[in-house]
Amino acid sequence: NAGVTQTPKFRVLKTGQSMTLLCAQDMNHEYMYWYRQDPGMGLRLIHYSVGEGTTAKGEVPDGYNVSRLKKQNFLLGLESAAPSQTSVYFCASSITEFYGYTFGSGTRLTVV
Amino acid sequence: KQEVTQIPAALSVPEGENLVLNCSFTDSAIYNLQWFRQDPGKGLTSLLLIQSSQREQTSGRLNASLDKSSGRSTLYIAASQPGDSATYLCAVNNNDMRFGAGTRLTVKP
Repeated sequence: NAGVTQTPKFRVLKTGQSMTLLCAQDMNHEYMYWYRQDPGMGLRLIHYSVGEGTTAKGEVPDGYNVSRLKKQNFLLGLESAAPSQTSVYFCASSITEFYGYTFGSGTRLTVV
Repeated sequence: KQEVTQIPAALSVPEGENLVLNCSFTDSAIYNLQWFRQDPGKGLTSLLLIQSSQREQTSGRLNASLDKSSGRSTLYIAASQPGDSATYLCAVNNNDMRFGAGTRLTVKP
């Protein structure tokens, strides 16, 4: 029972490079979320999706794009990475907005 | 905008003590509140989920309470153990999950 799986676990990017973080869940959850966690800032919502084919902006969406082409996958893209995007990124999912969240193990991203 | 505050930011106790972690929030119109545990460099593990209609939830040595009217939740840990050392996060859900900054707990043998 995998739950929420994030790939990759670690990545180092140069400023201006692009990359995609993948989140996959096998629980048939409708809702999926991307958070970033920074020291002293806590977890902040980047983007979320309420179902296949939908996406919406969270608290800190600038510099990121997302796609939810399949219900089980939620992709987070950085088109032109900046050092300010150095962070730990967490994906989460829930049945709907009324239920608790299940988190992945995170992706540690460093932009140099 | 929902604001979530956790006090204290850090707590150090000797093994065997009972302890209480506090969480307060500004908007009481919530769907639920969830307590998580995070070990250094790891992800978030869900401990307890309290729906808005509930007053408390229990799991083993953990008990979480919810008082919506006062915007407060507490996480009670009984007979603490060194393995309980971690950061504990409170998250409040009213349309999206908002997190507190966490309480870093150290239980000394």
